[in-house]
Amino acid sequence: QKEVEQDPGPLSVPEGAIVSLNCTYSNSAFQYFMWYRQYSRKGPELLMYTYSSGNKEDGRFTAQVDKSSKYISLFIRDSQPSDSATYLCAMSTKGTDSNYQLIWGAGTKLIIKP
Amino acid sequence: NAGVMQNPRHLVRRRGQEARLRCSPMKGHSHVYWYRQLPEEGLKFMVYLQKENIIDESGMPKERFSAEFPKEGPSILRIQQVVRGDSAAYFCASSPEANYGYTFGSGTRLTVV
Repeated sequence: QKEVEQDPGPLSVPEGAIVSLNCTYSNSAFQYFMWYRQYSRKGPELLMYTYSSGNKEDGRFTAQVDKSSKYISLFIRDSQPSDSATYLCAMSTKGTDSNYQLIWGAGTKLIIKP
Repeated sequence: NAGVMQNPRHLVRRRGQEARLRCSPMKGHSHVYWYRQLPEEGLKFMVYLQKENIIDESGMPKERFSAEFPKEGPSILRIQQVVRGDSAAYFCASSPEANYGYTFGSGTRLTVV
C-alpha cells in the first residue's frame, strides 16, 4: 500500500463547477500538507500549504485536512479552463527543516470543459 | 528573473551511456533539490545540495547516480551506465532558504533506449 493514495483521474467537469480533489494517507505522523498544480511539460507549483487539521482558503481554492480520517481535499470554486492541470498532494512528517522530503501522491488530472 | 532553468528538456540515451542533467537555480537561490517523477507516480526526492555541499542524498541510488553543485555554474545530476528503468522526468527545484519557497524547473525527460 502506498503511503499516499490519489485517484489519477482524469476528472472532467464543466466550466464553473465546483471541483473536489482528494488524497488519503496511511501515516498518522503526517502534519504538513500541500497541494501543487502541474501543467503539462512543466514543474509543479505550490498552491496551498496547511498544517494540521482544518480549512484554509485562498481565492477560489480551499484546502481541507481531516487528520482523524487521514483525508485531505482541495476544492476549486468557479472552475476555469485554465485550471486544467494535474494536481498533486504532498505531505511531510517533519517541520520546515526537512520539507523537501515530501511524500507525494501520483496526481489527479483535471479537465475543465468550456 | 528567468526562473529555474533545466537543460536539456529532452534527453535520449542508449543503455550504458552517461546522462548529464543541468539545473541553474533562480537568481539568489543557493539551495537545490533534485526529484524524479515516473509515469503514474508522484515525485521522489533524490538529493539536496547547497553550493559545493551535498546536504542530503538519502533518496539517490548508491550506484551510478551522483550530483554536484559547484561554486560556479549549474548543478549537475549525473547518471552513469543508464538502464531503461532510469527513464523518467527529472525535476530540479531551488529555494532562497532551506526548505522554504521552492520553485521547480520544467524538468528533463530522459528516455533510455
